[in-house]
This record gives sequence, structure tokens and C-alpha cells, in this order.
Amino acid sequence: GENVEQHPSTLSVQEGDSAVIKCTYSDSASNYFPWYKQELGKGPQLIIDIRSNVGEKKDQRIAVTLNKTAKHFSLHITETQPEDSAVYFCAAPPGWYGNKLVFGAGTILRVKS
Amino acid sequence: SQTIHQWPATLVQPVGSPLSLECTVEGTSNPNLYWYRQAAGRGLQLLFYSVGIGQISSEVPQNLSASRPQDRQFILSSKKLLLSDSGFYLCAWSNGMGQGHQPQHFGDGTRLSIL
Repeated sequence: GENVEQHPSTLSVQEGDSAVIKCTYSDSASNYFPWYKQELGKGPQLIIDIRSNVGEKKDQRIAVTLNKTAKHFSLHITETQPEDSAVYFCAAPPGWYGNKLVFGAGTILRVKS
Repeated sequence: SQTIHQWPATLVQPVGSPLSLECTVEGTSNPNLYWYRQAAGRGLQLLFYSVGIGQISSEVPQNLSASRPQDRQFILSSKKLLLSDSGFYLCAWSNGMGQGHQPQHFGDGTRLSIL
């Protein structure tokens, strides 16, 4: 089955700096990679996703890159702001088709002002 | 637009009592529905998922069960709660009609404490 590993588990950055969170997956057939942001007491919110037919996707200060050969994908947040502080989760599906996602263990991002 | 509702937001129950958590989705038809448990604010464990009314897949053996009595309603239940059932329970939905993998969208969860 799919195994998703996420690093680092915690990340502290200064406001305005960039933050990078990396995930590796085990199932080479996986073809969809979402990232979620979870604020305290709330459910995870989808912030960006990428499919395996592209290598990079950007949305304002957030970008995701995918390396299918190495089986890893990363979340990049530029010009971090205090409101970016949250827990971030990556996920990948077990296989190329289906309804399920396997989630990484999460990264606590703290942006210090 | 689609919305997902979970209730209650918090619940405190004694060991051995029954449980019923409800989740409803609006603005879409024939969604895939999911129940997750999140321990200590980290890691989401898939408990159940459903692709249609009455169709439930269980991911891990446990003290819980799920039912889908209507297209957009998903219920998590237990006959007798254990201390280990404490946690943050999240419901999610995805587009059941889309091609390929579809994003999952989460509710704001139920914080369950067992005493």
C-alpha cells in the first residue's frame, strides 16, 4: 500500500522568509498530490494540488513541485506571513485510480513576526 | 457552492455510552463520503468511506460503524464507547462523478472526549 512520509515535523521561519515542506510517496502509480492547511480547531482545507502530468503549479505565494522519478513533492510558501502558521498535510492516493488518500503526518509551521 | 456540516462540534461522553455523529453535504449529488480520526492534532486515519447509499467500506477494525441512509448524509456510530475512541473526528466529501482522483473537502470536525 501507499506510504507517505512528510518532513520536517516542525518548521519555524521568520516572517517574509520562505518555507518548504517535502513529502515522499511509495506507490509509483500515484498521480494526484494535494496539500492541506489545518488551523487550530478546524478541519483541513485544501490549498493546492497537482496531478502527475505537470511538474509545478503556482497559486500566488504557494507552489507545489513534483518529481515523479524520485517520488517526492514539495510545498513552497514564499513571503511567509503570521497567518500562514498552521499544520500542513500532504497526501497521495494508493494507486492511479480510486477514492482514497493517504496522508502524511503533518508539519507544524510557525511564522515568527 | 458545496458545503459540509458536522455536528456536534464537541462532545463529552462516558465510557460505555453510545455515539452518533452526523455529517451532511449540500450542493452536490452522489458524493463520496469519508470519516477520519485525528489523534493529538496530527495524522489523519481513514476509518470509513462510502461511494453510495448503503455502501460502506471499513478501513480499520474498531469499535465504530458507519451508515449512509441518504445520499448526502453520513453517520458514525458506536454502541459502547471506549477510552481509546477519544479524538477529533472529521467528515469529508469528494466528487463522486469526476474523472480520476478528486479533492477531498473536510468539515470542521467533532472533538470527542471519553471520560
